[in-house]
Amino acid sequence: GNSVTQMEGPVTLSEEAFLTINCTYTATGYPSLFWYVQYPGEGLQLLLKATKADDKGSNKGFEATYRKETTSFHLEKGSVQVSDSAVYFCALHHTGNQFYFGTGTSLTVIP
Amino acid sequence: GAVVSQHPSRVICKSGTSVKIECRSLDFQATTMFWYRQFPKQSLMLMATSNEGSKATYEQGVEKDKFLINHASLTLSTLTVTSAHPEDSSFYICSASPGTAGELFFGEGSRLTVL
Repeated sequence: GNSVTQMEGPVTLSEEAFLTINCTYTATGYPSLFWYVQYPGEGLQLLLKATKADDKGSNKGFEATYRKETTSFHLEKGSVQVSDSAVYFCALHHTGNQFYFGTGTSLTVIP
Repeated sequence: GAVVSQHPSRVICKSGTSVKIECRSLDFQATTMFWYRQFPKQSLMLMATSNEGSKATYEQGVEKDKFLINHASLTLSTLTVTSAHPEDSSFYICSASPGTAGELFFGEGSRLTVL
């Protein structure tokens, strides 16, 4: 079956620290992979995506590379800011229009 | 990007009453919309897939008579929580895809509090 596993939080970092949030997946075929971000009290917003192996998605300083050999899509940012405090969801989309989400990782960045 | 809007963003109701939440795709047509419930500690649970012009497909364990879903047009899906109880209090989020590149767009969410 299809599933997404992401590292449990919460994660607390100081401003300008390096961020990694791990995400691994199980899927049949070749899914597209996504990172969504949820700011407090809001819905989810697409942060970045990758549609095939070795693609790198990037946005707002965040990056993630679709690694088929390790079935991973880890989210990274070189220098986090207080405004990056949010919950981050890894997701995969497979044919048939169904999305599978990880459980979310809460990030708090302190000044 | 595409916009999905939910209304109301917050609603408080008494136990035993029904509450309707609307989900609209503002700039695209969506034959399929998804309803999620978000529990404390942020876990997202897919409740059902709303299909325009036909019955919704509910996930296992979701009571279809309690969570009524209607997808009457290509831009509107509604979720009605019937005979609400305090345990139904939660954050409900809808989403839809315009069908391009598999991207999913989310509404702002609706916080339901049942007293």
